[in-house]
Amino acid sequence: NAGVTQTPKFRVLKTGQSMTLLCAQDMNHEYMYWYRQDPGMGLRLIHYSVGEGTTAKGEVPDGYNVSRLKKQNFLLGLESAAPSQTSVYFCASSSWTGTNYGYTFGSGTRLTVV
Amino acid sequence: AQTVTQSQPEMSVQEAETVTLSCTYDTSESDYYLFWYKQPPSRQMILVIRQEAYKQQNATENRFSVNFQKAAKSFSLKISDSQLGDAAMYFCAYRPLNDYKLSFGAGTTVTVRA
Repeated sequence: NAGVTQTPKFRVLKTGQSMTLLCAQDMNHEYMYWYRQDPGMGLRLIHYSVGEGTTAKGEVPDGYNVSRLKKQNFLLGLESAAPSQTSVYFCASSSWTGTNYGYTFGSGTRLTVV
Repeated sequence: AQTVTQSQPEMSVQEAETVTLSCTYDTSESDYYLFWYKQPPSRQMILVIRQEAYKQQNATENRFSVNFQKAAKSFSLKISDSQLGDAAMYFCAYRPLNDYKLSFGAGTTVTVRA
């Protein structure tokens, strides 16, 4: 089915380890986003991209890096994981053309840093 | 600074009754979009309803309707004839017209009593 696919769905990391979360969309959307969800805080924007080869910082970018080498993929990297990065991470893409505009979210990645 | 405020962390409703979730937002923009998302235990973010600020008519989607008060910067969601499947966390979200980033409130957990 068309949509946004995130891998992996679950991951446990040790403090200091690195990892990359992959987001893939097959809807040809220009815009892609990475959010983190923490209890009582809703979803907060980490980084986003307005097109292939572009990235920009969101509300909480520290400790994360992103890349968008291909239009359909948006990668989120943690170079040195910290317990404060324990969270659920959501990728989303958006389209604002036509009448069926809006955001499509992936199913999330639960990351635990111990 | 929090752009979107959901003042009710939790709400409980009897099956078949009506519940209203509140949302206020802070903006100096005149054109923007507002959304309500549902997040069941599966973690999937599901669009419930959206409203364009330039439209005075309140949006409705089946049992879901909004009360959009632009001057008061208020965007409440009414769930009518509540069903057990409505139990979830609900997020209010805001997007200005000249930006593609979505800002979320902290969420309201809705419990439906049988």
